[in-house]
Amino acid sequence: GNSVTQMEGPVTLSEEAFLTINCTYTATGYPSLFWYVQYPGEGLQLLLKATKADDKGSNKGFEATYRKETTSFHLEKGSVQVSDSAVYFCARPYTSGTYKYIFGTGTRLKVLA
Amino acid sequence: KAGVTQTPRYLIKTRGQQVTLSCSPISGHRSVSWYQQTPGQGLQFLFEYFSETQRNKGNFPGRFSGRQFSNSRSEMNVSTLELGDSALYLCASSQSTGTGNTGELFFGEGSRLTVL
Repeated sequence: GNSVTQMEGPVTLSEEAFLTINCTYTATGYPSLFWYVQYPGEGLQLLLKATKADDKGSNKGFEATYRKETTSFHLEKGSVQVSDSAVYFCARPYTSGTYKYIFGTGTRLKVLA
Repeated sequence: KAGVTQTPRYLIKTRGQQVTLSCSPISGHRSVSWYQQTPGQGLQFLFEYFSETQRNKGNFPGRFSGRQFSNSRSEMNVSTLELGDSALYLCASSQSTGTGNTGELFFGEGSRLTVL
């Protein structure tokens, strides 16, 4: 099958807490994997990506490692800030070579000062 | 470099009407995709255009249609609006070589449609 499954939100954390948002996928082969972030009132923007197994994507203190053994691409950040409050989406292309993407349901993160 | 521009940002329609949404991609991007975002269904792929041709289509009824112009600008149309069509419609452009997936989607801020 073709799916992307994310942990349910909302996730509420205090500033400087550790963040993990789980994402697993089903696919034939090893598609590129992405994390997008949507801030309030805005469209989505790419946070990070990994194009092959064992790759680690990183940006703005966020990291995610493409693990083919567990078909996972969990998002982590060591110390969240209030400005990280947003909705996070895990995504993968439906098939290689297209821009038809499958998105997870999104996980809303709220960081309290 | 200007980002993806969607118009209008907000609109209110009544059931049975039709609506046209517009998207101007980033300069040089030839692929334009459309997504519907709702609280219940999340992000659902509508269609993708490349060089004025629809390359992929999602599982939406024929009331949803789109097109792309020679300057890569795209429009989508929804006819005979239903209450369930209320959503944020997101357009994304990509720098596609036409053969490979370069990966990143660049999204606009969306057009929020409310159907009464």
